[in-house]
Amino acid sequence: GIQVEQSPPDLILQEGANSTLRCNFSDSVNNLQWFHQNPWGQLINLFYIPSGTKQNGRLSATTVATERYSLLYISSSQTTDSGVYFCAVPSTDSWGKLQFGAGTQVVVTP
Amino acid sequence: DSGVTQTPKHLITATGQRVTLRCSPRSGDLSVYWYQQSLDQGLQFLIQYYNGEERAKGNILERFSAQQFPDLHSELNLSSLELGDSALYFCASSVATGGNTQYFGPGTRLTVL
Repeated sequence: GIQVEQSPPDLILQEGANSTLRCNFSDSVNNLQWFHQNPWGQLINLFYIPSGTKQNGRLSATTVATERYSLLYISSSQTTDSGVYFCAVPSTDSWGKLQFGAGTQVVVTP
Repeated sequence: DSGVTQTPKHLITATGQRVTLRCSPRSGDLSVYWYQQSLDQGLQFLIQYYNGEERAKGNILERFSAQQFPDLHSELNLSSLELGDSALYFCASSVATGGNTQYFGPGTRLTVL
């Protein structure tokens, strides 16, 4: 099945810093989602981004489908950005089945 | 708020017991998905239903079963529970059968003692 790798596994940021999270996937995909899991366990949709660039406030994402990677940018980080960021792509055997990466644990310190 | 609801939020039970987790999808969504998140396995797909029919299956144990009812809500039944079944169980929904944004509910945290 499709492999999804995220880097870095952990990130510690000071409030106000910028960061880039990466998601590599091993096969062609027709969509990609980014999620934020907050410290209370909720999975929050950030982006549905099969290709191109999208922005939502201080967050933006870029997917380069032909090169099989996606990037999530966090600018001017805040403590509320802490949590785990996951990317997920459809499995090659079933579009409905999302294959998740292991996540990037982000801690933003005041 | 994603619009997907799950009950209960927390469940504590003993080994060997059976529990039922419930999910209501977003209004208008026909597909429901179940995922399990455990510390050692990460987020794993369990099963998908579309408009009442099973559509895709992941590494779901034989002790687990699910169904989607005519009103589109879904239930995940876990039986003969083991300590290793302790996890966060998420339900997600989407408009169609695949290739669409999946919206996740708040999850049910199951603890098996």
